Amino acid sequence: AQSVSQHNHHVILSEAASLELGCNYSYGGTVNLFWYVQYPGQHLQLLLKYFSGDPLVKGIKGFEAEFIKSKFSFNLRKPSVQWSDTAEYFCAVSGGSYIPTFGRGTSLIVHP
Amino acid sequence: EAGVAQSPRYKIIEKRQSVAFWCNPISGHATLYWYQQILGQGPKLLIQFQNNGVVDDSQLPKDRFSAERLKGVDSTLKIQPAKLEDSAVYLCASSLEGTQYFGPGTRLLVL
Repeated sequence: AQSVSQHNHHVILSEAASLELGCNYSYGGTVNLFWYVQYPGQHLQLLLKYFSGDPLVKGIKGFEAEFIKSKFSFNLRKPSVQWSDTAEYFCAVSGGSYIPTFGRGTSLIVHP
Repeated sequence: EAGVAQSPRYKIIEKRQSVAFWCNPISGHATLYWYQQILGQGPKLLIQFQNNGVVDDSQLPKDRFSAERLKGVDSTLKIQPAKLEDSAVYLCASSLEGTQYFGPGTRLLVL
């Protein structure tokens, strides 16, 4: 069965620290990859997406993610986090015959 | 551009009661999704519509859950009868060219 794994369930960082959140998916073929963010009290918002082309994609608020096909990974990165990045982050996969599937999420807390 | 609208935002019912949720997608979005998000987990797809047709409902518990999108625009999701384990946030999303846009969700508590 298709699955999406997010390795870190809870991450706590200080402001200005670098961030990398892992995401792996379990199936091959053509996939569309997404990172969504949910700030406290708000609904899910798209952070960035990869459909094709350059495997390094840039999103909003300084986030980027790299698609590594050989590793079935789509890790999210930010060189310097801010307190306002405190949120829940979800990796998701869709495309082809696959139904949209989300990881269980990573809760990020950034200390000021 | 208006976002995805959902109502109600909160609902508390007792087990074995019925409940319905409503979703109005972004104008022009042909694809509509209903997700269930249990606390501490990621959203799980319940049903996906393309216009008024069902694309996938493989994870919908059809003995108690039903959904419709009769005119290919807004949609309703119903649970009848509800169980304690149905307590969750029910998210509606619509998409254009593969990117989903989510509504605020309906938080359901079944007592």
